[in-house]
Amino acid sequence: QSVLTQPPSVSGAPGQRVTISCTGSSSNIGAGYDVHWYQQLPGTAPKLLIYGNSNRPSGVPDRFSGSKSGTSASLAITGLQADDEADYYCQSYDSSLRGSVFGGGTKLTVL
Amino acid sequence: QVQLQESGPGLVKPSETLSLTCSVSGGSISGYYWTWIRQPPGKGLEWVGYIYYTGTTNYNPSLKSRVTISVDTSKNQFSLKLSSVTAADTAVYYCARGPRSTVGGWFDPWGQGALVTVSS
Repeated sequence: QSVLTQPPSVSGAPGQRVTISCTGSSSNIGAGYDVHWYQQLPGTAPKLLIYGNSNRPSGVPDRFSGSKSGTSASLAITGLQADDEADYYCQSYDSSLRGSVFGGGTKLTVL
Repeated sequence: QVQLQESGPGLVKPSETLSLTCSVSGGSISGYYWTWIRQPPGKGLEWVGYIYYTGTTNYNPSLKSRVTISVDTSKNQFSLKLSSVTAADTAVYYCARGPRSTVGGWFDPWGQGALVTVSS
């Protein structure tokens, strides 16, 4: 049971827009701690996709965007492409655990 | 740019100690926090713990009694030891730079990961 809750899977057709939610609580996202997102392509290490709720590292396409409100955060992917098919994880800090926490991950399937 | 590489035995016997080292190249280990994260086969990511280059550590409460993370600034390396391992500790272990502070931050970059299997 992960501290941050993500849907196990989402899917969309090429060109479409999908969103992945990340729900936390008053000891993590709701306490104001930032949310970060990672993309894990099959057989590879996770890669930072969004940091500080909505910032993209250099090289990440602007098709990827992040937002945060209350105790939740979301990752949006527009103009879906076949190579977006991957697992996506959210991450934040939890003041009760006094450490970093991850969501359980969401598998994105491009139909 | 900074690159990280995990190294260590890929097979550990139950009840023994898992040991991994992360070598940092392309930049100094000084001035940053450094983290271990693990991923059991087919499952999600779990934060194991971090160390600041000065030696200050913070561990996942669920693993705290068995984890030790250390740093060797002269070698630009940091290490993970996990004692009394069981099959549940079988995972790919990643090292990463971060977080940015003691109250959160992101992990970037990551090493490629090292699969450690616990089996007799």
